[in-house]
Amino acid sequence: AQKITQTQPGMFVQEKEAVTLDCTYDTSDPSYGLFWYKQPSSGEMIFLIYQGSYDQQNATEGRYSLNFQKARKSANLVISASQLGDSAMYFCAMRPDDGGADGLTFGKGTHLIIQP
Amino acid sequence: DAMVIQNPRYQVTQFGKPVTLSCSQTLNHNVMYWYQQKSSQAPKLLFHYYDKDFNNEADTPDNFQSRRPNTSFCFLDIRSPGLGDAAMYLCATAPSLAQSNQPQHFGDGTRLSIL
Repeated sequence: AQKITQTQPGMFVQEKEAVTLDCTYDTSDPSYGLFWYKQPSSGEMIFLIYQGSYDQQNATEGRYSLNFQKARKSANLVISASQLGDSAMYFCAMRPDDGGADGLTFGKGTHLIIQP
Repeated sequence: DAMVIQNPRYQVTQFGKPVTLSCSQTLNHNVMYWYQQKSSQAPKLLFHYYDKDFNNEADTPDNFQSRRPNTSFCFLDIRSPGLGDAAMYLCATAPSLAQSNQPQHFGDGTRLSIL
């Protein structure tokens, strides 16, 4: 079984500041993938960034980077230079990388609000 | 643009009246998923199709069924909706099993209300 824990229900951040959203996970799978999704109030799930468990380097996608610490089982999302449009729910998710079609296991999410 | 489309965006039904939610995709992905997301909670996987093979999660109620008549379409049927079934229902797709590092692509969701 897999479990994702996001300990920050909500965060307020000043515009242009960097923000770190925490995510820890637990799994018995030897290989797995970690994902971050953004969900605005309109409801759609927007993929942000992916990290494979065997990737040597932390993933980066534009203003998003993933601080992956495998020994600590953490996969924190870092958003640099935050913008008002970054206000949304952010979900950390994972799935085993076993060649199957398993769905994602999500954390409870962090509600990020960017203040001008 | 290739995408995942869910219809309708908002659905209202009466307690106990069967309802069907629709999902279509132009990505030609093999795998299609249905998630249930209740208010202020994480999405929870209900079931998925790999091609025509149906995979039900162990704790998905029998009240929820799914059909996939072809690659492009997948339906979620709720046979007798209860008040507890009010939620956002998210459809997602993924490419073949060999590309397990690929993200799932989500539709905009259908928000279901029960009267």
